[in-house]
Amino acid sequence: DGGITQSPKYLFRKEGQNVTLSCEQNLNHDAMYWYRQDPGQGLRLIYYSQIVNDFQKGDIAEGYSVSREKKESFPLTVTSAQKNPTAFYLCASSGTTNNEQFFGPGTRLTVL
Amino acid sequence: AQSVAQPEDQVNVAEGNPLTVKCTYSVSGNPYLFWYVQYPNRGLQFLLKYITGDNLVKGSYGFEAEFNKSQTSFHLKKPSALVSDSALYFCAVSAPSGGSYIPTFGRGTSLIVHP
Repeated sequence: DGGITQSPKYLFRKEGQNVTLSCEQNLNHDAMYWYRQDPGQGLRLIYYSQIVNDFQKGDIAEGYSVSREKKESFPLTVTSAQKNPTAFYLCASSGTTNNEQFFGPGTRLTVL
Repeated sequence: AQSVAQPEDQVNVAEGNPLTVKCTYSVSGNPYLFWYVQYPNRGLQFLLKYITGDNLVKGSYGFEAEFNKSQTSFHLKKPSALVSDSALYFCAVSAPSGGSYIPTFGRGTSLIVHP
């Protein structure tokens, strides 16, 4: 059963703590993406990766970091430098960047 | 720079009536255009795409979209709306930039289908 998974579904963090969101895909896709979704603002691109061991900043990369050590995995770390991290985070993958994206179910992060 | 606009935050339609969700775009070069749907607290699901060819594209769940190059539009349509179509709809556009096609998403349009 192919797909893209994200964990956890809900995450709570205290201010000043780093937290890592997991994203795994078994679709054999080369490209992976992280988006942030806030009400009324659509999807904003945080980071993307077109190939293993390479990734690029998106529109709102400040306060976030990623790694792409394996084709299947693209974890996102929300650091304490991110001033307003409470949001819904979506991971996606595609065969190449000009193909449609497949999205995970999302992680809702709340900073307490 | 590429951009996409969804001019309506919300569209209301009665069940059984036709629906249209509007999308206009701006890119340099030939666009790749996509529509996605999102149900509450879920990820986005792909509906349809236009790359090249016939301007009328058919997708999942009876949806279709028409590419209009002169008006730079890609409106989503369905002949007869269902209550279950109520969701958030996103239009996305991409064009080649530095060898990649990273899409830009619109802000989304909430479709509400009334029984």
